Amino acid sequence: DVKVTQSSRYLVKRTGEKVFLECVQDMDHENMFWYRQDPGLGLRLIYFSYDVKMKEKGDIPEGYSVSREKKERFSLILESASTNQTSMYLCASSLWDRGLEQYFGPGTRLTVT
Amino acid sequence: DAKTTQPTSMDCAEGRAANLPCNHSTISGNEYVYWYRQIHSQGPQYIIHGLKNNETNEMASLIITEDRKSSTLILPHATLRDTAVYYCIVRVEAAGNKLTFGGGTRVLVKP
Repeated sequence: DVKVTQSSRYLVKRTGEKVFLECVQDMDHENMFWYRQDPGLGLRLIYFSYDVKMKEKGDIPEGYSVSREKKERFSLILESASTNQTSMYLCASSLWDRGLEQYFGPGTRLTVT
Repeated sequence: DAKTTQPTSMDCAEGRAANLPCNHSTISGNEYVYWYRQIHSQGPQYIIHGLKNNETNEMASLIITEDRKSSTLILPHATLRDTAVYYCIVRVEAAGNKLTFGGGTRVLVKP
């Protein structure tokens, strides 16, 4: 079974802090994704990566950056957390040629106070 | 992307088959039908996808009508753990595609 793990299930940070969210997948998938999910707004893509050191902006990249130094690991960075970044963050991965067959981690519920 | 229409909610008895419909009357020839579900407070879970033939895996079956304007996801023996929101998505298969979920169907499996 594909396994996608995220570093924390719940996280509370203060405004202005730098926040790192880590995601690791164990199925040698080329594609990795970071989404956020908010009530009434659904799932929104922040960034994705289709290879090591490659990244592409999604729909809402402002205030975020990403890092993919190894194939299995995709990190999301909030440079200076703000209260409007309080959300559920979801990481996913997929094979290169099966981009819509995505496997998700359990999510990190981030609260910024 | 083709628009999809799903019922807002449905109940199902434990142990019975759950049949979840999805209408996608504007689907184009190269668009696939994907199904995901999301159990409360968990990440979305891929279930199954298909182009025009019926598909079956260990989780569910997908029946696509001959004109491809609608489909049905079948959970053959629903359990309480199948209680979730189920999303039908119609998209072109391409690397790096983003997922977006519509309203979905909230399925409640009752004992």
